[in-house]
Amino acid sequence: AQSVTQLGSHVSVSEGALVLLRCNYSSSVPPYLFWYVQYPNQGLQLLLKYTSAATLVKGINGFEAELKKSETSFHLTKPSAHMSDAAEYFCAVRRNSGNTPLVFGKGTRLSVIA
Amino acid sequence: DTEVTQTPKHLVMGMTNKKSLKCEQHMGHRAMYWYKQKAKKPPELMFVYSYEKLSINESVPSRFSPECPNSSLLNLHLHALQPEDSALYLCASSPVGTGAGELFFGEGSRLTVL
Repeated sequence: AQSVTQLGSHVSVSEGALVLLRCNYSSSVPPYLFWYVQYPNQGLQLLLKYTSAATLVKGINGFEAELKKSETSFHLTKPSAHMSDAAEYFCAVRRNSGNTPLVFGKGTRLSVIA
Repeated sequence: DTEVTQTPKHLVMGMTNKKSLKCEQHMGHRAMYWYKQKAKKPPELMFVYSYEKLSINESVPSRFSPECPNSSLLNLHLHALQPEDSALYLCASSPVGTGAGELFFGEGSRLTVL
C-alpha cells in the first residue's frame, strides 16, 4: 500500500514569509498526490493535486507544489504567508493504484505570526 | 453544484440512543465515503460505497451501520456507541475512474457520545 509522510507536525511562520510544508511519498513511481487544507471545525478542501500532467502544480490561494521524483517529494509552498493560511494541511495519496481510497499523512499545523 | 452536505452538524447522544448521520451530493459521483477524524489526527477511512454497493469496510464495529439508498445519499446509522466514538465524521464523494479525481468533503458531523 502507498503512503505519505509529512515532516513536521507544526510549522510556524511570520506573516509575509515563505511557507514550506513537506510531504514524501513511498512508491517508486509517482502516484496521484493531493494536498488538502482543513480550517478549524470544517471539512477538508482540496488545494491542489498531481495527476502526472505537470510536475509543478498550482493550486488555490496562491499555493503550489512541485513533484521531485529524485527525492520522492511533493512539498507545498506559498511565497508569502497570510494570517488566513493558519490551518491544518494534509498530504494524501491513493492507497493503491487506480481508484482506491485516499490515505492521509499525519498532517501539519501551520501557524502564522503577525 | 460542488457541495457535499452533511446533517446534522452537531449531535450529542447517549450510549443507548439510535441516531443517524446523513450525507447528500448532487455531483453525479458514484463513489461515496465515510471517514472518522479524532482531534489532531488525520481522517481515517471507515466505509466506501461504489455504485451504491459497499465495497470497503475497514473492520468498523457493527454499532456503525452504513447505508446508501441511492446514488446521491449516504447514511451512517449509529447505535449503542461508546464515548470513544466521539469524533468528527466526514462524508466524501468522488468520481469512479482512474484515481486522478479528488474527493469532495462535507463539513462534517461532530458527534459527542455521553
